Amino acid sequence: DAKTTQPTSMDCAEGRAANLPCNHSTISGNEYVYWYRQIHSQGPQYIIHGLKNNETNEMASLIITEDRKSSTLILPHATLRDTAVYYCIVRVNRDDKIIFGKGTRLHILP
Amino acid sequence: EPEVTQTPSHQVTQMGQEVILRCVPISNHLYFYWYRQILGQKVEFLVSFYNNEISEKSEIFDDQFSVERPDGSNFTLKIRSTKLEDSAMYFCASGGQGRSPLHFGNGTRLTVT
Repeated sequence: DAKTTQPTSMDCAEGRAANLPCNHSTISGNEYVYWYRQIHSQGPQYIIHGLKNNETNEMASLIITEDRKSSTLILPHATLRDTAVYYCIVRVNRDDKIIFGKGTRLHILP
Repeated sequence: EPEVTQTPSHQVTQMGQEVILRCVPISNHLYFYWYRQILGQKVEFLVSFYNNEISEKSEIFDDQFSVERPDGSNFTLKIRSTKLEDSAMYFCASGGQGRSPLHFGNGTRLTVT
């Protein structure tokens, strides 16, 4: 699996958009980008995934660059409940395990 | 929305005892996983399971560990003789066909004393 690089931590003011970057410069053509988050000691929670087109769901938007070497997860209106560790992961096969890195610890500031 | 459920939420056991952690994956899922997270550390892959057999396991998943899908709904992780260093959160996950994402349960906190 391709390796991803994320900032260790980020702050965002409540009500503002949180933009979490991820680099995956060695991603291959059949690998998808997935985002998960883990709120203090709970199980990892799926957020969104994409291949090359931008994606949006009720939780977030995923912007993938044209060369697919990086992506940004956008939480449009961050709340205190969005405080969590966010993981950017690349995955290819349907039965592929997910390998977690250290992720980005996002602090939402009141 | 269907979810992965794990029981118990917290298990305390003495060193050397056997424990069984239980998971009910999402009903139409075919791929099953166990992960663990030692306090303050990363979530680590243990094992994946498909078509009633282990498809991949990590170095952590040694002979003390085993998995089983005893019926059509449960997926279990057994630790035969627990050690202090087995104390961790254990997460079960399941996945469906194609690129569908893995869904995780909220974990079992195992404390070995």
